[in-house]
Amino acid sequence: DAGVTQSPTHLIKTRGQQVTLRCSPKSGHDTVSWYQQALGQGPQFIFQYYEEEERQRGNFPDRFSGHQFPNYSSELNVNALLLGDSALYLCASSLRQGLSYNEQFFGPGTRLTVL
Amino acid sequence: AQSVTQPDIHITVSEGASLELRCNYSYGATPYLFWYVQSPGQGLQLLLKYFSGDTLVQGIKGFEAEFKRSQSSFNLRKPSVHWSDAAEYFCAVGGNTGGFKTIFGAGTRLFVKA
Repeated sequence: DAGVTQSPTHLIKTRGQQVTLRCSPKSGHDTVSWYQQALGQGPQFIFQYYEEEERQRGNFPDRFSGHQFPNYSSELNVNALLLGDSALYLCASSLRQGLSYNEQFFGPGTRLTVL
Repeated sequence: AQSVTQPDIHITVSEGASLELRCNYSYGATPYLFWYVQSPGQGLQLLLKYFSGDTLVQGIKGFEAEFKRSQSSFNLRKPSVHWSDAAEYFCAVGGNTGGFKTIFGAGTRLFVKA
């Protein structure tokens, strides 16, 4: 049973460019969340997707957007990249069951460097 | 507001000594608590979790943590530290408040000296 997978592993972009990161959830999971982990900090919640809709959003600008596909995989898009967007981007998947919290399983992350 | 506080930015212990990493949380509903470890350049590895039941939970690599509701704490312990335990440790909380997201502390960096 494959866990959460993310691609690419590493990415280097320049300021002003746009980037797309991809995530495949753990088998059987239907909810995907994205987190940004800047150097020396804990992961910060960006947003969560369920049933192909953004359900929750953290304190991130509109330059950060996402998508969830019918097969539950997800993309994170960041436009107009800034140096401060350099970070490890973590994807987490879970199974949504009504109003009960379920543990999130994290992928290995995509390391984005903005030059 | 929901938050996790890890009071110690970094801790240094001698190999073979005991370890305790502190974690305090603020959460408006039943908390689900986690400890993760992260080696440099790596992703998060789950050490242990508390959802309900026995407040002393055992995890991988010889780690344990104790949930104390009255103190809003979930401290991580290990009786004898190995050099390979040197890493960053994150405490986290999740639950039904705030849309099922997980909230992380800022982390504690553990250094192990020979």
